[in-house]
Amino acid sequence: GIQVEQSPPDLILQEGANSTLRCNFSDSVNNLQWFHQNPWGQLINLFYIPSGTKQNGRLSATTVATERYSLLYISSSQTTDSGVYFCAVVNQAGTALIFGKGTTLSVSS
Amino acid sequence: NAGVTQTPKFQVLKTGQSMTLQCAQDMNHEYMSWYRQDPGMGLRLIHYSVGAGITDQGEVPNGYNVSRSTTEDFPLRLLSAAPSQTSVYFCASSLYTGELFFGEGSRLTVL
Repeated sequence: GIQVEQSPPDLILQEGANSTLRCNFSDSVNNLQWFHQNPWGQLINLFYIPSGTKQNGRLSATTVATERYSLLYISSSQTTDSGVYFCAVVNQAGTALIFGKGTTLSVSS
Repeated sequence: NAGVTQTPKFQVLKTGQSMTLQCAQDMNHEYMSWYRQDPGMGLRLIHYSVGAGITDQGEVPNGYNVSRSTTEDFPLRLLSAAPSQTSVYFCASSLYTGELFFGEGSRLTVL
C-alpha cells in the first residue's frame, strides 16, 4: 500500500523562527491533507491540498503531486504552534487516509 | 455548527467489558470512519462506511464492530475489551474522497 514519510520527526524552534516540514508519499494521490494535533489532542485541519500552493496566515503548503511530496511552511513560529503535524493521503481505493508518523514541533519563548 | 461529535471523551473499562463509542455528524457526509491513535504512531483506520447500510474493514479491525443505520451516526462497539485496545479513538467524516473532518477524540483505558 501507499507509504507516507514525514521529516524531520522532531523539531525544536525559538519563537519567531521559520520552519519547513516535509511529507513524501510513495504513489500518486488525489487527496492530501495536513493536520495539527495540539497538546490537548485535537486534530485541526490545516490544508486540503492535493496539488498546488495554499496559504493561511503564517502557514502555507505546497504539494508537487508529480514528484510525490508536500511541504508545510510555518513562518514566525509561536508557542501555540507546538504540537504534532501530520500529513495524510488517500489510499488507492479512495477509502481511507493513510497517515505519516508526524513531526513533533516544540516552540519555546 | 457541531461538526463531528464523539461521546464519551473518556472511559475506563475492565478487561472483558463491552462498550460503544458514539459518533454523530451533522454535515450530511457520506463517508465516516474510525481511527485509533497509539503513542508514537500516526492514526490507523479501524472501520469505515461509505453510506448508510455499508461498512468495511480498515487496517486494524479485529475486536471492533460497527454499523451505519443512518447517515448521521456511526457507532464503534468493543464486544470484549482487551488492554491492547487502550488508545485514543477518533471518528471522522467527509464527502466521499473529500476533506476529512475529525471529532475531538475518545480516550479509552482498558485495565
